[in-house]
Amino acid sequence: GQNIDQPTEMTATEGAIVQINCTYQTSGFNGLFWYQQHAGEAPTFLSYNVLDGLEEKGRFSSFLSRSKGYSYLLLKELQMKDSASYLCAVMDSNYQLIWGAGTKLIIKP
Amino acid sequence: DTAVSQTPKYLVTQMGNDKSIKCEQNLGHDTMYWYKQDSKKFLKIMFSYNNKELIINETVPNRFSPKSPDKAHLNLHINSLELGDSAVYFCASSQQTGTEILSDTQYFGPGTRLTVL
Repeated sequence: GQNIDQPTEMTATEGAIVQINCTYQTSGFNGLFWYQQHAGEAPTFLSYNVLDGLEEKGRFSSFLSRSKGYSYLLLKELQMKDSASYLCAVMDSNYQLIWGAGTKLIIKP
Repeated sequence: DTAVSQTPKYLVTQMGNDKSIKCEQNLGHDTMYWYKQDSKKFLKIMFSYNNKELIINETVPNRFSPKSPDKAHLNLHINSLELGDSAVYFCASSQQTGTEILSDTQYFGPGTRLTVL
């Protein structure tokens, strides 16, 4: 079967750095997405990785290792508004997005 | 202008009723989707619709039916609502599927919170 694993919840301090991990087992791979979802709102696109390595976009970076079936989202200089759920999703060989359950990130002052 | 819009935002109804949720996108995208997000926050794909090709998740009961009057709209009709249908339903769209992966970034509507009593 297809599976996406992420930690359920993480806590970090304002101004710090946090890394949210995602491991996946899917039938084929056509890229990995990270989405942010604030409570009661729709998911919004953060990043896309299809090649191994690190993609940096401002305070957010996303890393992919296809051989290990592993990705992480790195958030730097955390702000209170970063409190949200972070969803990892993998596009399989049929171009269907397989979603993780999301990691709820709590930022404390 | 909202890129992907849904109506209504909240829907409370009785078991056994039939209801519809509307979705419109003004992004010129080719593909639209319906997702169900349950209390455990898993996003489950229900349908994707691309150029009149409908791909159905086989686990979706046939009480759920998508209707697309044109490329910019994909409505969700639900017959004989059940308690377990209570969830947040998200519509999403992407430019195209399968050819250029980056364009498969999906843009979500604000969601419709359905409560079945």
